[in-house]
Amino acid sequence: DGGITQSPKYLFRKEGQNVTLSCEQNLNHDAMYWYRQDPGQGLRLIYYSQIVNDFQKGDIAEGYSVSREKKESFPLTVTSAQKNPTAFYLCASSSSQGADEQFFGPGTRLTVL
Amino acid sequence: KQEVTQIPAALSVPEGENLVLNCSFTDSAIYNLQWFRQDPGKGLTSLLLIQSSQREQTSGRLNASLDKSSGRSTLYIAASQPGDSATYLCAVEHNNNDMRFGAGTRLTVKP
Repeated sequence: DGGITQSPKYLFRKEGQNVTLSCEQNLNHDAMYWYRQDPGQGLRLIYYSQIVNDFQKGDIAEGYSVSREKKESFPLTVTSAQKNPTAFYLCASSSSQGADEQFFGPGTRLTVL
Repeated sequence: KQEVTQIPAALSVPEGENLVLNCSFTDSAIYNLQWFRQDPGKGLTSLLLIQSSQREQTSGRLNASLDKSSGRSTLYIAASQPGDSATYLCAVEHNNNDMRFGAGTRLTVKP
């Protein structure tokens, strides 16, 4: 089946630890995105990548890092520098920027203990 | 800076009723507008995508309209069903990959 997968579904982390969230797509999409969703708020863009080995900061990139070594994969690392990391994280992809729909993964809920 | 507002924040209707969800945005220079559905704890499912040159899109019981000049979009759901219960998000995209989301409208359709 074609789609976007995120793992794990639930993630717990102790304060001060880095953690990496996985996002994989087999849709042959060029562009991939990471969003954060907090209760009662819309999604906010963390990072996006339009092509392999390239990525750009979104609105709230501080405390996060990404890599895009393969077209299919766009992992997000939540570092200890992120002050309020507890949130629901959504990964998305699209064929190209602008005209194409973004397709979303099922999300990862990160809780910092 | 683009701001996207969705009203109401929550809506409860009896099954079978037609309903309208509203989305407004402050910067009309958008590339497209997209409506999504989100079930609790899940990712987003794209419902309708309206390009900036279009006025509306239809899919089954859903109809989305776009009025760029007034910065408004509506999502019309006909003959609502309990399975329509979810949070509906609208998002506007600029041509630089900048996509802004509203906070969503939580819809409950009661049997």
